Amino acid sequence: SQQGEEDPQALSIQEGENATMNCSYKTSINNLQWYRQNSGRGLVHLILIRSNEREKHSGRLRVTLDTSKKSSSLLITASRAADTASYFCATGYNFNKFYFGSGTKLNVKP
Amino acid sequence: GAVVSQHPSWVICKSGTSVKIECRSLDFQATTMFWYRQFPKQSLMLMATSNEGSKATYEQGVEKDKFLINHASLTLSTLTVTSAHPEDSSFYICSASGQHEQFFGPGTRLTVL
Repeated sequence: SQQGEEDPQALSIQEGENATMNCSYKTSINNLQWYRQNSGRGLVHLILIRSNEREKHSGRLRVTLDTSKKSSSLLITASRAADTASYFCATGYNFNKFYFGSGTKLNVKP
Repeated sequence: GAVVSQHPSWVICKSGTSVKIECRSLDFQATTMFWYRQFPKQSLMLMATSNEGSKATYEQGVEKDKFLINHASLTLSTLTVTSAHPEDSSFYICSASGQHEQFFGPGTRLTVL
């Protein structure tokens, strides 16, 4: 990808389990965002974390950011079948010119 | 959040023809818009930055003569795929910069036969 990599590339879990996805990036940023994309659809914004933040929560989502390691993680707790989608991190500077990671395809089995 | 629309949502065209895709910010003014391309099962790749009233800035490897971008007003940017070929078939997504975040359009699926 233009900016970095996500791992795993694909993740298959049972409903109720937690899902963790990791994102690494290359350049300096001041914000990082996570998006989900259902197959063939547009992007849905999930959560924004700024470079001066280390952790952020939103409902069942927990995002961490380690700027020294240039990495972020997205944790989805108590996953549901409806969480099945591709998840992308996007990094930017001053909300300008976002670069996307390679994405993680999550499959939550009912 | 702010709304960004794209038109058309999908288009099928013959090889060699040109296709225009519109991106509109419906409830705010966007001096800067961005165009992305996404091939099947891949991530979004930034193609270019569209600046209102000036030339677009293209990412490395993107042909500016093939992907013409016009940002004539604060609410509209257009991407024209010229002389389209089957390898241009992709999902094209635009975004517009707000004050504190970017807002993405729903995407346009282009199929070139």
